[in-house]
Amino acid sequence: DTGVSQNPRHKITKRGQNVTFRCDPISEHNRLYWYRQTLGQGPEFLTYFQNEAQLEKSRLLSDRFSAERPKGSFSTLEIQRTEQGDSAMYLCASSPRGPNTEAFFGQGTRLTVV
Amino acid sequence: DAKTTQPPSMDCAEGRAANLPCNHSTISGNEYVYWYRQIHSQGPQYIIHGLKNNETNEMASLIITEDRKSSTLILPHATLRDTAVYYCIVRGEYGNKLVFGAGTILRVKS
Repeated sequence: DTGVSQNPRHKITKRGQNVTFRCDPISEHNRLYWYRQTLGQGPEFLTYFQNEAQLEKSRLLSDRFSAERPKGSFSTLEIQRTEQGDSAMYLCASSPRGPNTEAFFGQGTRLTVV
Repeated sequence: DAKTTQPPSMDCAEGRAANLPCNHSTISGNEYVYWYRQIHSQGPQYIIHGLKNNETNEMASLIITEDRKSSTLILPHATLRDTAVYYCIVRGEYGNKLVFGAGTILRVKS
């Protein structure tokens, strides 16, 4: 499978715990994006990497959220001290270098904070 | 990136063409129109994009008005599997993130 892969697909955690999600982009895609989606809403942009550099972060990304892409390949999104409001689908997308390129999304990680 | 306006929902009969409109009156010269769709519980799926010429691929056709202030996504023969939320997005040529609105819920009915 050469698509964007996200793990785990589902995560249930207790409030206050830390969680980490992983995204493996399409091979050789140098751009990687994280989005969050709550029920009935469109995806909201969280952050964007070009290779290993994090070039943009949304104001939605509070201090409890951190994303990394250490070698310019896979990426991780960590949420510390989870809150019930963090319950959402977390989506990852990747796109190749160059202008006017489409982004390909993974199936997402659904987080439920209880 | 310019904002887009889409109807919240539409119905279409199976086998008929589905025409999904999008207004983007503030679009600028170097911004492209992208369409994605999202089937329940899946990640968004790229459909098509264009600048000013009409575009067609195996999934759909994109018709952009001459003034580029609106566009229409056409699914020529809608099937039940085309039931999804359809997002119209305007993005610069070197734009990075896609900014999603609420989209249009398309219900294809038999």
